Amino acid sequence: EDQVTQSPEALRLQEGESSSLNCSYTVSGLRGLFWYRQDPGKGPEFLFTLYSAGEEKEKERLKATLTKKESFLHITAPKPEDSATYLCAVQVDMNYGGATNKLIFGTGTLLAVQP
Amino acid sequence: DSGVTQTPKHLITATGQRVTLRCSPRSGDLSVYWYQQSLDQGLQFLIQYYNGEERAKGNILERFSAQQFPDLHSELNLSSLELGDSALYFCASSVGKAYNEQFFGPGTRLTVL
Repeated sequence: EDQVTQSPEALRLQEGESSSLNCSYTVSGLRGLFWYRQDPGKGPEFLFTLYSAGEEKEKERLKATLTKKESFLHITAPKPEDSATYLCAVQVDMNYGGATNKLIFGTGTLLAVQP
Repeated sequence: DSGVTQTPKHLITATGQRVTLRCSPRSGDLSVYWYQQSLDQGLQFLIQYYNGEERAKGNILERFSAQQFPDLHSELNLSSLELGDSALYFCASSVGKAYNEQFFGPGTRLTVL
């Protein structure tokens, strides 16, 4: 069964303290891996797409990397405004054939950055 | 702002009732997706429509149905509501039918009393 696991469940950092969030996956037919940021009561906000092992994407203080089994979201010198839940999702083909866009989400990492 | 709009923002109703949630995709996007987010289940894929046709189904209950109209907006109908249906319902859209980034709307919070 396709599965996405994120760790840690929650992370508290001091402002400026860099760290990494992990997303490990067990899927057949991976088509892409996505990172989203979600603020409380809001819709997920798209951050990155990664398609192949070795790929890296950067945006401001965030950098996403992908291996064959997991992805990391590195946060460099975080600020309080980076506090949010970070969601990882994998895109897989549906079993009944034909390309589709189903996303399987992990349960997220709740990041709190203290000033 | 993702460009995806959803109405209403909040909905409070009673068990056994029926509600309709509405979504307008980003301009130019042909695919619409519906997701349910509850505290214990996380974000769960319900259904995808592409250019008016059902493309993929996830864990959508038989009491739930959706459609996409010629102007590409979509509606999610939830009937015979139960307490456990209380959740955030998100709509997302993408350009194509597969292998594209999905952009999410602000969601509809459904509370069933």
